[in-house]
Amino acid sequence: QKEVEQDPGPLSVPEGAIVSLNCTYSNSAFQYFMWYRQYSRKGPELLMYTYSSGNKEDGRFTAQVDKSSKYISLFIRDSQPSDSATYLCAMRHTGFQKLVFGTGTRLLVSP
Amino acid sequence: DTAVSQTPKYLVTQMGNDKSIKCEQNLGHDTMYWYKQDSKKFLKIMFSYNNKELIINETVPNRFSPKSPDKAHLNLHINSLELGDSAVYFCASSDTSGGAYNEQFFGPGTRLTVL
Repeated sequence: QKEVEQDPGPLSVPEGAIVSLNCTYSNSAFQYFMWYRQYSRKGPELLMYTYSSGNKEDGRFTAQVDKSSKYISLFIRDSQPSDSATYLCAMRHTGFQKLVFGTGTRLLVSP
Repeated sequence: DTAVSQTPKYLVTQMGNDKSIKCEQNLGHDTMYWYKQDSKKFLKIMFSYNNKELIINETVPNRFSPKSPDKAHLNLHINSLELGDSAVYFCASSDTSGGAYNEQFFGPGTRLTVL
């Protein structure tokens, strides 16, 4: 079993929909939680990060971490075709640089 | 101005060959990484160097050898290439000298195909 589990999708939604992307993990030592977006044939780019539990909002994006359930989410409001990409969750321990990634969820937003 | 650059972008080679991938960052970061992304998009760390010192060395075949001539460069040399080495290899860098959180910036990737 992988340390971080993520549904690979694809997840297909119409433009304007609210998208929910999720990851579960097994290692309770993880403290930093990140969401990366990866367009086809490009490198991952950081969307948001959260330290420990709680919510964080940035424009149309909201990241949530529930450490008690070992579950993290990324919500995208008013989804756009330009949001079509693979979304990778990643996490790491405090003081340790190794990022552990989920397998990524491919999101398709149709006009 | 590319922050993390990799060469080559594409690499097609025969089984058994030796090849190198180069990475350079102009962000002034002190830590660099190599990741492998397989055909199912799973991204896994291979190595990390901090100021030219190896700090992360995951379970990777000995055929893979990273080299960091200075803190702005991290190269990956692969001996005796195998079909299973076909993947996209990403270089990344981060500044770990400051606070607890540090973002890793990824390069554009090198798509390696072994025939």
